[in-house]
Formats: sequence, structure tokens, C-alpha cells
Amino acid sequence: GENVEQHPSTLSVQEGDSAVIKCTYSDSASNYFPWYKQELGKRPQLIIDIRSNVGEKKDQRIAVTLNKTAKHFSLHITETQPEDSAVYFCAAYPNTGNQFYFGTGTSLTVIP
Amino acid sequence: SAVISQKPSRDICQRGTSLTIQCQVDSQVTMMFWYRQQPGQSLTLIATANQGSEATYESGFVIDKFPISRPNLTFSTLTVSNMSPEDSSIYLCSVAGTGNEQFFGPGTRLTVL
Repeated sequence: GENVEQHPSTLSVQEGDSAVIKCTYSDSASNYFPWYKQELGKRPQLIIDIRSNVGEKKDQRIAVTLNKTAKHFSLHITETQPEDSAVYFCAAYPNTGNQFYFGTGTSLTVIP
Repeated sequence: SAVISQKPSRDICQRGTSLTIQCQVDSQVTMMFWYRQQPGQSLTLIATANQGSEATYESGFVIDKFPISRPNLTFSTLTVSNMSPEDSSIYLCSVAGTGNEQFFGPGTRLTVL
């Protein structure tokens, strides 16, 4: 089955700096890669996603890049703000089934 | 995206008892899922709730422990049976969107004493 690894597990940045979280996956059949943000005590919220036919996608301060050859994808947050502090999960979705495979999560702290 | 609600939002239960968690969606959805999220951990899929047939369970989860119902396309229940403290966790339902996205309910925080 698919195996998704996520790094780093914790990340602290100064407000205004950029944050990058990286994930690797193993199954070349994976074709959909969402990112979720989970604030303390809240549900995971889909913040951005990318499909395998696209190399990069951007939404305001958030961008995701995908390298299919190397089987890795990354979340980039620019001009970080304290409200970006949360746990971020990546996931991979192989087109051979219905299951999401989640990374282990990155706890991001933005220091004011 | 669909509006998803769960009941109860939290509960404290005694070991050996069972708790049924409800998940309601405001529109018909084909795919519904149940996840467990232990404290500080990632999301683990328990099962896919299939409408009109038995749920499909992931490795490590069995129907006797986590029976699931899916009577229609807007509703599902997950029962945590014969609970032990190790079952203390957050249980989340999710639904699949038209493009394979998944949207999560608010979760049920379960504490077993």
C-alpha cells in the first residue's frame, strides 16, 4: 500500500517568514494530494490540493508543488501569520482505491 | 462543500460500555468514512461506510468492535463497543466530494475511564 512520510514534525518560524513542509509518497498510482490544516480542538480543514497533472498550485499565501518523478510534494506558506499556527497534514490518494493515506503531521508555530 | 455534523461532540464513558456516534450530512454523498485520531497523532481510517452493504474495514479494525450503519446517503453511525481506556480518542466522519476531496465532521472526543 501507499506510504506517506512528512517532515518536519515540528516547525517554528518568525512571523513574516516562509514555512515549507515536505511529504514523500511511495505509490506511483497516487494522483491526488491534499493538505489539511487542523487547529487545536478543531476538525481538519482542506486548505489546498494538487492533482498529478499539475506541477504547482497557488492560493494567496499558500502554494503546493508536486514532483511526480521524485514522488514528493511540498506545502509553502509565505508571509506567515500567528493564525497559521496549527498542525498540517499531507495526504496521498491512489487512484486504485478510495483511501487517503495521511502523513504524520507537522506542528507549525508562528512566533509573533 | 457539504455541511457535516456529529453527535455527541464529546462523551466520557465507563469501560465495558458502548457508545454510538452519529454523522449527518446535509446532502446525499456516496462515500462516507470513519477515522480515529489519537492524541497528537495523525488520522487513521477505521472503515468505509457503504450504503446498503456492510462497511469495509481497514487492517486492525473489526466489525464486532466498531459496527457501522449506513441506512441512507446522508447518515451513518459508528459504535465503539466494549470500550477500554485505549479507545479514548477523537472519532471523525468524513465525506468524499465529487473530485475525491474529503471533508471532515467536527469530531467526537471520547474519554473512557
